[in-house]
Amino acid sequence: DAGITQSPRHKVTETGTPVTLRCHQTENHRYMYWYRQDPGHGLRLIHYSYGVKDTDKGEVSDGYSVSRSKTEDFLLTLESATSSQTSVYFCAISERDRGRYEQYFGPGTRLTVT
Amino acid sequence: AQSVTQLDSHVSVSEGTPVLLRCNYSSSYSPSLFWYVQHPNKGLQLLLKYTSAATLVKGINGFEAEFKKSETSFHLTKPSAHMSDAAEYFCVVRDYGQNFVFGPGTRLSVLP
Repeated sequence: DAGITQSPRHKVTETGTPVTLRCHQTENHRYMYWYRQDPGHGLRLIHYSYGVKDTDKGEVSDGYSVSRSKTEDFLLTLESATSSQTSVYFCAISERDRGRYEQYFGPGTRLTVT
Repeated sequence: AQSVTQLDSHVSVSEGTPVLLRCNYSSSYSPSLFWYVQHPNKGLQLLLKYTSAATLVKGINGFEAEFKKSETSFHLTKPSAHMSDAAEYFCVVRDYGQNFVFGPGTRLSVLP
């Protein structure tokens, strides 16, 4: 299995509070991604990173911010959590050399906003 | 822009019978295509990938997929379903910029 961990694995928080989710990789892959998974929607991209301090928005980025200060860590922050952000969040990594393009996924974080 | 259509939201088969999960894509480039599987309350695992080599791709656990450019399809098959195949399956297309677009998923049920 690819070395990807996510923390916390489960979190319950109240509306209006800030929340930070962490993704950590030991594979030294250049690209990192945050997705959310909701029933009927598959996985939707929130933000991604193509290098340290290089990030860009995905299709559902409103209400989320990210930071990547080191190759191995990619943080997702909900500045003020809302009930619509209750979801399962997955981190993924990928590389783009020697024919390798596929993503590898972390175990997920289940976030509940009450 | 890339997009992926998974034609069936739910497929139900009997154990020992063939599995067919359908995927169609649109892409402006020569695409890379993937199938992932997600078992309940688990993360996503790569089943197989197509990256412009052989059009018939073999994956793990006896799954295969065939890339058909003329039909813009990448259907997933398995000759004989096993109970452990029950899961959600996602078809994914990669664009030129190393971004990935997911289909909505197909839930496979395997009946005894």
